Amino acid sequence: QVQLQESGPGLVKPSETLSLTCGVSGGSISNYYWTWIRQSPEKGLELIAYMYYSGGTYYNPAFESRVTISVDTSKNQFSLKLTSVTAADTALYYCARGRGVVTAKINFDLWGQGALVTVSS
Amino acid sequence: LVMTQSPLFLSVTPGEPASISCRSSQSLLQSNGYNYLDWYLQKPGQSPQLLIYLGSNRASGVPDRFSGRGSGTDFTLEISRVETGDVGIYYCMQALQAPYTFGQGTKLEIK
Repeated sequence: QVQLQESGPGLVKPSETLSLTCGVSGGSISNYYWTWIRQSPEKGLELIAYMYYSGGTYYNPAFESRVTISVDTSKNQFSLKLTSVTAADTALYYCARGRGVVTAKINFDLWGQGALVTVSS
Repeated sequence: LVMTQSPLFLSVTPGEPASISCRSSQSLLQSNGYNYLDWYLQKPGQSPQLLIYLGSNRASGVPDRFSGRGSGTDFTLEISRVETGDVGIYYCMQALQAPYTFGQGTKLEIK
């Protein structure tokens, strides 16, 4: 049974970089889109970015200048970096697996449990 | 592309049907004939789980009590007989235009 698990600091200072990793266990990282989505009371659910296992990325323009996503197939994990964070970046961050279904359509069919990140000094 | 759900709150007796509406600011009907609209359920304390994709296709393991219908800009998630395990927040999500965007959610509780 494939599982995703987010890990990383739960507290980040303003202006610093938020870094999260998602470990993929019980299955291969190949042939999927690896995705970060966050959830906050203010903005609800927001797609941040996704990356195909072999390359090719999509960044939400709302984050594009600050975000980097990467996939490490040797470690079966993928990562998120979000720079210059502010209190508005406080959220529950989910990693998710995306499966291509039809043309230009991805299903997010498996999610991690989420990692709460608070931005505060 | 804005997604608007209604109602925002729903209280249902077990065994009764339930219906949630989702409206998009633009048509989600692609030239391939599919509506790029998904439904997710977030149970209390859990991450969202995919229920319905491409408007009307149930995801793996989803009971046939759940059905999605609609096309273009108006969509509905229907639960034929609500069970206690169906409580949570239901979200629609458009996947036609990047970035995918979610509705504000509809909270279902049991009477």
